[in-house]
Amino acid sequence: GENVEQHPSTLSVQEGDSAVIKCTYSDSASNYFPWYKQELGKRPQLIIDIRSNVGEKKDQRIAVTLNKTAKHFSLHITETQPEDSAVYFCAGPAYSGAGSYQLTFGKGTKLSVIP
Amino acid sequence: DAGVIQSPRHEVTEMGQEVTLRCKPISGHDYLFWYRQTMMRGLELLIYFNNNVPIDDSGMPEDRFSAKMPNASFSTLKIQPSEPRDSAVYFCASSLVDPTETQYFGPGTRLLVL
Repeated sequence: GENVEQHPSTLSVQEGDSAVIKCTYSDSASNYFPWYKQELGKRPQLIIDIRSNVGEKKDQRIAVTLNKTAKHFSLHITETQPEDSAVYFCAGPAYSGAGSYQLTFGKGTKLSVIP
Repeated sequence: DAGVIQSPRHEVTEMGQEVTLRCKPISGHDYLFWYRQTMMRGLELLIYFNNNVPIDDSGMPEDRFSAKMPNASFSTLKIQPSEPRDSAVYFCASSLVDPTETQYFGPGTRLLVL
């Protein structure tokens, strides 16, 4: 299976509603989980991250939660705005096929905020 | 710091031609990564370097792809010969001291092979 799985692949919400994107990981030793936002035609950019020694982190309308027991972490966006529309990627450390340990990205979630 | 720099930003070429993509990582970053992004396959790691040494090239699709990092401030990804299925956005990223830590992406090179 994939080292980092992300759901859903697409998400549509009304402006003002909340959006939640969830990722699961397989390596219990993983300790760092960033989230990236990629607007159309732009590069992925870090928006928030969390380390395994905390369960939640907030930055204005964005929050990330981590459940180490269940091996999942989630991105929460409250009071969504049209400018939140983008593709969001989660990431976590994982072993590659060649045995190296590196940041591995989920498949992405396309979030559409409907005005 | 100017961030990760990539060139060219756009490249249109014909099948069979050689394509060279360039990247300058953030100064002081020990790790450099090359990714390919397509609608079908998402963001794929092709290869990454630590202190100019290739560590994992298991994502390189085939022998037509090669990457080098002759010094700490420059890397190239070469495709020879190019094929239409190589059309994608190629991103370079760098991280400070650990391949599992935050990566900073360049603006990408949008490649179209006709």
